[in-house]
Parts: sequence; C-alpha cells; structure tokens
Amino acid sequence: RKEVEQDPGPFNVPEGATVAFNCTYSNSASQSFFWYRQDCRKEPKLLMSVYSSGNEDGRFTAQLNRASQYISLLIRDSKLSDSATYLCVVRRDDKIIFGKGTRLHILP
Amino acid sequence: DAGITQSPRYKITETGRQVTLMCHQTWSHSYMFWYRQDLGHGLRLIYYSAAADITDKGEVPDGYVVSRSKTENFPLTLESATRSQTSVYFCASSENREVAAPPDTQYFGPGTRLTVL
Repeated sequence: RKEVEQDPGPFNVPEGATVAFNCTYSNSASQSFFWYRQDCRKEPKLLMSVYSSGNEDGRFTAQLNRASQYISLLIRDSKLSDSATYLCVVRRDDKIIFGKGTRLHILP
Repeated sequence: DAGITQSPRYKITETGRQVTLMCHQTWSHSYMFWYRQDLGHGLRLIYYSAAADITDKGEVPDGYVVSRSKTENFPLTLESATRSQTSVYFCASSENREVAAPPDTQYFGPGTRLTVL
C-alpha cells in the first residue's frame, strides 16, 4: 500500500460548483500535511498547510482527520483557474511524501 | 528575488553520457531535494540534503549522484544516462523554522525536462 494515496480523477466540475477530494495516509506517525497545486508542465506550488483544527483560505478549506488518517480539500465557488492537479503531501520526520495527485477540470 | 533556479531547462542526451543538472537557491534554505516526475508515478524523491555536505538517498537514488559543497547549490549527476531516466526533474528547497528542525514548506524550481535517446 502506498504511504499517501489520492483519487487520480479527473474530477470534471462546472464552474461555480463546490468540489472536495480526500487523501489518505498510512503512517500514523505522519506529522505535517500540505496541499500543493501543480499546473500543467509547471512546478508544484504550496496551496495551503493543513492544521489539526482545520483551516480556511478564501474559497479553500482543508481538514485533517487523524483518527481516520486522511486529509481533505474543499473548493467552493470553483473558478476556471482552479483547473490543476492537486497534490497531497505528508511529512514524517525528514521524509516528505507526495501523493500522485488529483486532476481537477473546471468546466465553463 | 531569484528564488530557486534550475539549469538547463531542457536537455537531450544519449544513452551512456554523463549529465549534470544544476539547482541554485538564493534563500539559504537548509534542505534541498531532487525529484523526478513521470506519468503514473507522481513525484519521486531521488536524493535530499539537510545541509551542506550532508546528503541522503530518497526513494529512487540508483544511477544518480549528488553533492552539496555549498548551501545554495545542489547538482544532480546522471553518471551514465539511460532511457529510463527520461523525465522531468524538479529541485526544491525548504526552510527550517529552527536549527535542525525537519523540513517545512517546499519551494520548487521550474524543472528540467531531460530526454535520453
């Protein structure tokens, strides 16, 4: 089993809709969690860190569920510019593990 | 505000040749990383470095060599390139909030697209 798993998608979502996707991690000793965004043929960029209490940044909300070992990302009022691949990232000690990403297509 | 740069951005080489990919960061970040990204595999860690003169293997280190004589540079060398090393290579750096703390947010370079014929 991979240490970090994501649904590869693609998620095809109409503009303005709300979309959510999860990421599961297998090692309970994982310490830090992040969502990165990667546009086609570009480098990954940090979207947001994920805190235990959950956190929000504009239209984006991230949640962490340690008991079930998953993190989630919710995007409200989706925009065409949200189309990208979203990478789940988990840190355990010195190791940083990337999920394979979830592709999101926002449809006009 | 240079940040993190990689060179070359594109490289075509032949099987058996030695290739070095350069990575330079201007933030004095302690941690630096090399990843490769291939369809179906996502980002895979090749090597990382916690500080100058300290390097460690990642998930897929075979066929690669790294060095870190200066904090700002982290070159990746393919000693004898193979077709299976055709990929997009990303370098990243990470700040530490405290000395000897684990890596935090990673900042990626623009990538090097390497083709091995």
